[in-house]
Amino acid sequence: GAGVSQSPSNKVTEKGKDVELRCDPISGHTALYWYRQSLGQGLEFLIYFQGNSAPDKSGLPSDRFSAERTGGSVSTLTIQRTQQEDSAVYLCASSLALAPYEQYFGPGTRLTVT
Amino acid sequence: QKEVEQNSGPLSVPEGAIASLNCTYSDRGSQSFFWYRQYSGKSPELIMFIYSNGDKEDGRFTAQLNKASQYVSLLIRDSQPSDSATYLCAVNGTGGSYIPTFGRGTSLIVHP
Repeated sequence: GAGVSQSPSNKVTEKGKDVELRCDPISGHTALYWYRQSLGQGLEFLIYFQGNSAPDKSGLPSDRFSAERTGGSVSTLTIQRTQQEDSAVYLCASSLALAPYEQYFGPGTRLTVT
Repeated sequence: QKEVEQNSGPLSVPEGAIASLNCTYSDRGSQSFFWYRQYSGKSPELIMFIYSNGDKEDGRFTAQLNKASQYVSLLIRDSQPSDSATYLCAVNGTGGSYIPTFGRGTSLIVHP
């Protein structure tokens, strides 16, 4: 079946602009995670959605970052007033509610802020 | 602060050898442990998980868990050049959290 999809695959933006990154999880997966990975670094957790519950936003680095998940499926991560330090690969992962740690990752969005 | 530690490597092994990747964790309450493989420029892929002390085998891969010593290992037998990748260790969240903690990964190079 279809895996996790993300768009765009690459995004180059100027400092100060807003960007939106999209994630389409595997059908039936109620859990959705956003991470970011900087060059040579590990995975940094950003936000977690589970069904209709309030999201866990504890990993968002600043109030410039926000995310929403509509209809329990597609999610959008928005970064306002982008900064150069926001440059990274943004990864989305989804999982079944009963197996939250068996995550399936999308291909990622490489964000470059110039 | 939960910590998951991995040697960044690179770990270089010859083709056909056993590659041993190690991971230690700080939270004694952790119950579930995962190994992800990440090829250069690609996203992580789950390859193994283990919940109980001891060994779990899947093909050429064996995960080993020792909760008393708080470490988990991944052994890759008959290593192939196609195994060359970064291997990320992940540990489940505790205290009701579903947020895993990832290590920074160990780079493995299998040379012909």
